[in-house]
Amino acid sequence: SAVISQKPSRDICQRGTSLTIQCQVDSQVTMMFWYRQQPGQSLTLIATANQGSEATYESGFVIDKFPISRPNLTFSTLTVSNMSPEDSSIYLCSGRFGGANEKLFFGSGTQLSVL
Amino acid sequence: AQSVAQPEDQVNVAEGNPLTVKCTYSVSGNPYLFWYVQYPNRGLQFLLKYITGDNLVKGSYGFEAEFNKSQTSFHLKKPSALVSDSALYFCAVRANRDDKIIFGKGTRLHILP
Repeated sequence: SAVISQKPSRDICQRGTSLTIQCQVDSQVTMMFWYRQQPGQSLTLIATANQGSEATYESGFVIDKFPISRPNLTFSTLTVSNMSPEDSSIYLCSGRFGGANEKLFFGSGTQLSVL
Repeated sequence: AQSVAQPEDQVNVAEGNPLTVKCTYSVSGNPYLFWYVQYPNRGLQFLLKYITGDNLVKGSYGFEAEFNKSQTSFHLKKPSALVSDSALYFCAVRANRDDKIIFGKGTRLHILP
């Protein structure tokens, strides 16, 4: 198993500012992903964080709004840029060992509120 | 494109009774199916998965799920519910040629003492 530490756990931000969320895994994972969980809704995949290269974004998400870094196999960051109230959500980091049929481990999430 | 549906927003069950949380899926090819649970203010925790083999999969905390290919379902079950089972449950699916896991909208389970 793996432990994923995510910080901050919550934040309240002003419109137009940016917030960087950090995700640290206690062991090397094959894949890392970032999800968004809007109030009362399911998890939506934002992007796959690729080590040493640009992230792979899902439809509706772009790098300028959600820049992602993954400098090594255990660490990734997600930045929510130029925030608006619509960005208020829980952001979840996840990781996976091995092949694609393996389970995901999740961080405890970052609850973001934008005023 | 793959998708997963959880038709119930909320399920209420009396403690000690059996529980079922429903999930149906749509995917090209063989599905990889998962159940996760989310407790308040915490991330998702893995319960169980189906890849191949026996259609009845046993997981954590006494939960099990039955894969039914003809009905494209993967319902989560437990023979006797506990109050501590109250949480938000997510079904998820991955197509065998895709790296992404897609989640259902979640079902809130209330176990009544």
